[in-house]
Amino acid sequence: NAGVTQTPKFRVLKTGQSMTLLCAQDMNHEYMYWYRQDPGMGLRLIHYSVGEGTTAKGEVPDGYNVSRLKKQNFLLGLESAAPSQTSVYFCASSILINEQFFGPGTRLTVL
Amino acid sequence: GESVGLHLPTLSVQEGDNSIINCAYSNSASDYFIWYKQESGKGPQFIIDIRSNMDKRQGQRVTVLLNKTVKHLSLQIAATQPGDSAVYFCAENDDSSNTGKLIFGQGTTLQVKP
Repeated sequence: NAGVTQTPKFRVLKTGQSMTLLCAQDMNHEYMYWYRQDPGMGLRLIHYSVGEGTTAKGEVPDGYNVSRLKKQNFLLGLESAAPSQTSVYFCASSILINEQFFGPGTRLTVL
Repeated sequence: GESVGLHLPTLSVQEGDNSIINCAYSNSASDYFIWYKQESGKGPQFIIDIRSNMDKRQGQRVTVLLNKTVKHLSLQIAATQPGDSAVYFCAENDDSSNTGKLIFGQGTTLQVKP
């Protein structure tokens, strides 16, 4: 049981490049979330999903898109990366109103 | 133990002392609260949670207290150890929209002096 995994662990992009971050969970959770964490700050919700085929905007959705084609996977896309998107990205999953299980994070730098 | 004020970004305690980390939440409708520990370079790890129908919950060496009157949450760590050094986040859930979304505080860094 791997829990929540994230791919890749690190990535450096140039401004304007695109990429996709993959989150996978093997706990059969319905709910999945993407957060970003900036230095000295808490986690801010980018997008979330309450089930396969559904997505919704969180607190800071601009510049990101998501897809949940399979229950176990939640993809976060950056179509045209900007330096302001330099951050650490965390994925989490849960069963409704319970603890969220977090992945190890992806450290993204946009030059 | 050492009691800290609200929104204190760093708490420094001696090994073996008790630690108290405080958190103010904003939404009186929130019905679920949770504490996470985040070590450097890792994702947040669950410590303990509490629902709004309770005012205290205990785990192993940790206790969470909830005061709904003043919208205050605290995490108490007994006999603090060097391995407790980390950033601690509180989070609240107002699930009127049934999404499971959590709203996180900015975090308190706990430093344990040997």
